[in-house]
Amino acid sequence: GEDVEQSLFLSVREGDSSVINCTYTDSSSTYLYWYKQEPGAGLQLLTYIFSNMDMKQDQRLTVLLNKKDKHLSLRIADTQTGDSAIYFCAESKGNNQGGKLIFGQGTELSVKP
Amino acid sequence: GAGVSQSPRYKVTKRGQDVALRCDPISGHVSLYWYRQALGQGPEFLTYFNYEAQQDKSGLPNDRFSAERPEGSISTLTIQRTEQRDSAMYRCATIQRANTGELFFGEGSRLTVL
Repeated sequence: GEDVEQSLFLSVREGDSSVINCTYTDSSSTYLYWYKQEPGAGLQLLTYIFSNMDMKQDQRLTVLLNKKDKHLSLRIADTQTGDSAIYFCAESKGNNQGGKLIFGQGTELSVKP
Repeated sequence: GAGVSQSPRYKVTKRGQDVALRCDPISGHVSLYWYRQALGQGPEFLTYFNYEAQQDKSGLPNDRFSAERPEGSISTLTIQRTEQRDSAMYRCATIQRANTGELFFGEGSRLTVL
């Protein structure tokens, strides 16, 4: 989606941390999301953050939100080969738009043993 | 059902033919969304329903695309007079409650127009 931008590829070694970055444009977005797509499968919600939060931690996942710069990041600690997938950042379109999301192009994460 | 089910998983058709893509949502999920995902891109919103009512169809590319959900459950996305540029993965997703963004996606229907 033209409103959400991500770098296309990231390669890390097993056990390292991965950081996937995203910029968005709609300052009225209420929630920002990270979805994961594994080969041949549908997208799966990983985590989300409310726009009035700076950080959210969920086990190995840490989401950081810089609302001033409209920058969102997803950090995966102790990355495993099973984390290899495409990760999509998404923003909600305005307030209370439910599942009408604007997705980025996706970042393909490759984890090398 | 346990998850969102889409059929057919793969559809190859000739230019000019009509196609119908089906989505069987998670039982009880209120809202149903259709997205289109081109190769190497993220999903793009097409349209959505709350129950049987189509709430927003602003993402449908042109009037060859239509969708319905007559009984508030199964939905069909129809593309008339298909063109090569319609080739993509068409994804259906549902939400348990109308005001969240936690989409449950199906595996998608891959459409190839020759």
